[in-house]
Amino acid sequence: GQNIDQPTEMTATEGAIVQINCTYQTSGFNGLFWYQQHAGEAPTFLSYNVLDGLEEKGRFSSFLSRSKGYSYLLLKELQMKDSASYLCAVASGGSYIPTFGRGTSLIVHP
Amino acid sequence: DGGITQSPKYLFRKEGQNVTLSCEQNLNHDAMYWYRQDPGQGLRLIYYSQIVNDFQKGDIAEGYSVSREKKESFPLTVTSAQKNPTAFYLCASKGGGALREKLFFGSGTQLSVL
Repeated sequence: GQNIDQPTEMTATEGAIVQINCTYQTSGFNGLFWYQQHAGEAPTFLSYNVLDGLEEKGRFSSFLSRSKGYSYLLLKELQMKDSASYLCAVASGGSYIPTFGRGTSLIVHP
Repeated sequence: DGGITQSPKYLFRKEGQNVTLSCEQNLNHDAMYWYRQDPGQGLRLIYYSQIVNDFQKGDIAEGYSVSREKKESFPLTVTSAQKNPTAFYLCASKGGGALREKLFFGSGTQLSVL
């Protein structure tokens, strides 16, 4: 099985930087995803990491360390619309089925 | 435009009733998935299908059933055996190639018990 752990809730100020951590334990690792989900809506894809290192995409960056079973999502220049739940998901096994963590609810305040 | 369509957006179930949630995709994806999401929880896998006429149980399949008679369609039936069906249900699909790892989600169905 897999165990994915991420903080339940975080708060940050508009314009600031926030880092959301995700740790995992799995076998047959195939990649790690981050999704953003606004309340009552479908998750939307943010990033995918399969190799160690940092992937940058605009205001969002994602980091992976496979040896440590660790990833983080970095959000810069926070905006109010970034208030959402951020889901970490790990794909493993031959069928590449992602398993999701419980999600981190991010609240951005003025 | 290609995408995944779930219907209805809201659904109410009476005691002892079976209800079916629709999921249709025109992305030509082989793999389709059903997830359940409870408040404050992550997504839990109910059933998945890698190819037409084949499907597998996920982590919480009890009380649910699916079919995959067409590539485009993967309906989920919530049976009367599912004693706690109130949740947000998400359908997703995934293709191959360079983006094979990325899930495309429908807009979800909120199921409630009357």
